[in-house]
Amino acid sequence: AQSVTQLGSHVSVSEGALVLLRCNYSSSVPPYLFWYVQYPNQGLQLLLKYTTGATLVKGINGFEAEFKKSETSFHLTKPSAHMSDAAEYFCAVNSNTGNQFYFGTGTSLTVIP
Amino acid sequence: TAGITQAPTSQILAAGRSMTLRCTQDMRHNAMYWYRQDLGLGLRLIHYSNTAGTTGKGEVPDGYSVSRANTDDFPLTLASAVPSQTSVYFCASSEISGLQPQHFGDGTRLSIL
Repeated sequence: AQSVTQLGSHVSVSEGALVLLRCNYSSSVPPYLFWYVQYPNQGLQLLLKYTTGATLVKGINGFEAEFKKSETSFHLTKPSAHMSDAAEYFCAVNSNTGNQFYFGTGTSLTVIP
Repeated sequence: TAGITQAPTSQILAAGRSMTLRCTQDMRHNAMYWYRQDLGLGLRLIHYSNTAGTTGKGEVPDGYSVSRANTDDFPLTLASAVPSQTSVYFCASSEISGLQPQHFGDGTRLSIL
């Protein structure tokens, strides 16, 4: 069985501050991991993904995430928050033995001017 | 490019009525999915289809049905709507491999009264 846990349903940061959104997963096999962003009244858009290879993955809009197998984590970071980063962020996992994606419950990011 | 098109964008429906949510993709993806998004619960998979002619049940399939007559279309039907089906519904598609991320439509906001 697979699952995703996102710690913190709401995160607030000041503009220019570090963004850290946490994601832990459980999977019986090496997972494929994804981060998505959702802006109001829109669908989810892919930020970045990890499948194999380098564990530090860079995505769009300056975001990156690091796959840490020993910690079963895939936290999302951005060095300097921008007002336009305010959105809902979802972590997702997919095992390489199936085609079902499992999503976390999401983290709402607020950026304070 | 259109990607995933969902219709309608929003709907108010009386309890007991039936409704079909439409989803069309133009990316020739093999797999398609229906999710519902509810506050605090993230995205939950309703039904999926790995290829035309096949469908499968997700986490919350009760009260919903789907069909996949061709690659591009994946309609979701509520046979007899109930208030608990009030939600935002997202259609998504992906290549069959779990390596590839999902592409999402902009959602249908459905209110059952």
